Amino acid sequence: QSVLTQPPSVSGAPGQRVTMSCTGSSSNIGAGYEVHWYQQLPGKAPKLLIYRNNNRPSGVPDRFSGSNSGTSASLAITGLQADDEADYYCQSYDNSLSGSGVIFGGGTKLTVL
Amino acid sequence: EVQLVESGGGLVQPGGSLRLSCAASGFTFSSYEMNWVRQAPGKGLEWVSYIYSGGTTTYYADSVKGRFTISRDNAKNSLYLQMNSLRVEDTAVYFCVRDISGSYFDFWGQGALVTVSS
Repeated sequence: QSVLTQPPSVSGAPGQRVTMSCTGSSSNIGAGYEVHWYQQLPGKAPKLLIYRNNNRPSGVPDRFSGSNSGTSASLAITGLQADDEADYYCQSYDNSLSGSGVIFGGGTKLTVL
Repeated sequence: EVQLVESGGGLVQPGGSLRLSCAASGFTFSSYEMNWVRQAPGKGLEWVSYIYSGGTTTYYADSVKGRFTISRDNAKNSLYLQMNSLRVEDTAVYFCVRDISGSYFDFWGQGALVTVSS
């Protein structure tokens, strides 16, 4: 059971806009801790997609964007493309946990129809 | 170009030990915090361990505390994970990951598969 909750799957047709949520609580996202997003293509290592809520690393298209509201965060993808089909993970920090406090969501599988 | 290359994975029996290594290149390794993150087959990502740039501070997930030890050799640009008393549930791909200010992970290795089975 992940501390951050993500829908198991979302889908969309090419060219459409999709969003996926990452729901936390008052000890993580709700406390103002930053949310980061990773894309994992099939059989590959995860890749940083969005950092510090809404920033894109160099090379990530502006079709990808992140936002936060209350105890949740969202990742939006516009102009959906076939090679966007992947697993997406959110990550943040939780102040109620031992260790480093790093937490991941369970991941959302994006299917491009 | 930043590169993180893991090695040392393999098949080990329950109760056994294994040491993972991660060779870093393309950046000043000694300036960065590092982590190990694992992914069980068909499952999501799980943070395992963290080490400060100078090696003075380490953290562990409760699931591995007391069994795993993270270390680094900045002179050799290398990160390590010593895994003892391995359990079937430790079976996973282990990723070496660069950390930005204890916040997010900007570069990931390709992963090393550890299989714990009799």
